[in-house]
Amino acid sequence: QQQVKQSPQSLIVQKGGISIINCAYENTAFDYFPWYQQFPGKGPALLIAIRPDVSEKKEGRFTISFNKSAKQFSLHIMDSQPGDSATYFCAARELGNQFYFGTGTSLTVIP
Amino acid sequence: GAGVSQTPSNKVTEKGKYVELRCDPISGHTALYWYRQSLGQGPEFLIYFQGTGAADDSGLPNDRFFAVRPEGSVSTLKIQRTERGDSAVYLCASSSGPTREQFFGPGTRLTVL
Repeated sequence: QQQVKQSPQSLIVQKGGISIINCAYENTAFDYFPWYQQFPGKGPALLIAIRPDVSEKKEGRFTISFNKSAKQFSLHIMDSQPGDSATYFCAARELGNQFYFGTGTSLTVIP
Repeated sequence: GAGVSQTPSNKVTEKGKYVELRCDPISGHTALYWYRQSLGQGPEFLIYFQGTGAADDSGLPNDRFFAVRPEGSVSTLKIQRTERGDSAVYLCASSSGPTREQFFGPGTRLTVL
């Protein structure tokens, strides 16, 4: 059973455009929602994270939007660049317990 | 400073063999995690250590999988009687505590022929 559902599976965006990746969850005990960026042959690296007591968090070109009532959260990449081309994973954690990852979104930014 | 390192980077073995995968966490990190990532999938939790003890091993798929962290630093993931379905990238991550950011290593790509 997939604890965190992620979409789309792949995404192609023009340089300068906005990339949007969505995730949904069911477990209301989750208290931490990170996004990871992974390049081929590398381990995932933390990009940005949010806790359920806020609805939005922005760091540079990256923004997480969080909808607690809908149990959904999304990653927005503004002014997408070719260097952003990577696989992105959302995740969720219940305090003191394991992380659950989404299935990943392969982002390609076309110059 | 040095990040999480994993050795070997690639391991090819035959079905039925025993393998050991090593993880060197960031110095001082008390929490250590093992994940398995199959092609096109997200990391799947295997086991979590806090110090020397396994705080949560609920993700280990069966008793062929075992992990140790005897001195609270380096960890070894051991797989007995390997099967072709064990082929995946095995990722290790460490953090300064269970609520802190996890830093991932580059992974070990295991191929079972």
